[in-house]
Amino acid sequence: EPEVTQTPSHQVTQMGQEVILRCVPISNHLYFYWYRQILGQKVEFLVSFYNNEISEKSEIFDDQFSVERPDGSNFTLKIRSTKLEDSAMYFCASSFVYEQYFGPGTRLTVT
Amino acid sequence: KQEVTQIPAALSVPEGENLVLNCSFTDSAIYNLQWFRQDPGKGLTSLLLIQSSQREQTSGRLNASLDKSSGRSTLYIAASQPGDSATYLCAVTSGTYKYIFGTGTRLKVLA
Repeated sequence: EPEVTQTPSHQVTQMGQEVILRCVPISNHLYFYWYRQILGQKVEFLVSFYNNEISEKSEIFDDQFSVERPDGSNFTLKIRSTKLEDSAMYFCASSFVYEQYFGPGTRLTVT
Repeated sequence: KQEVTQIPAALSVPEGENLVLNCSFTDSAIYNLQWFRQDPGKGLTSLLLIQSSQREQTSGRLNASLDKSSGRSTLYIAASQPGDSATYLCAVTSGTYKYIFGTGTRLKVLA
């Protein structure tokens, strides 16, 4: 069964460094999403992407964040200058229409 | 603005009990509602998806119902087992395609 994959599973970085989180969505899906979950808190929507552009973003998704689908298969989330509060689990998801399929997540630890 | 609430926040039951988890949402104009399971530090495992036109879905010992007009969904777990111990999340889509998650119910089934 097709699944969404994410790499790396765990990334440790120093404050101020740039990180890129990678996702491979399900191949025939049209919509792509990033969510994050700070430890002990609810899963929060960051951004949705459709037709090679951002379709919606939350207040969390400020200028430090960007997304890209560079080659038609990968979907990346870049954080330009990480802060301590960016430490969280980041989930990628994809959908054909409504039902979203989630990847296993990348745990980002900013020290 | 859609808000999703889950009650109770935590639940501890002896093995074998039937139990009900509740999810409520403020805007009844949803496309679908999905229940997930999350083990500590892990990703999201999809359990059941109920489309807006449906009233319930069943999978094994799990049954989820949806009452859009009252903004409620319940997840019924029959004959609970220690392996069911996890956090259960509900999420809804409305308006745009993003998921809005509840805060979860942390379930512990005692052997």
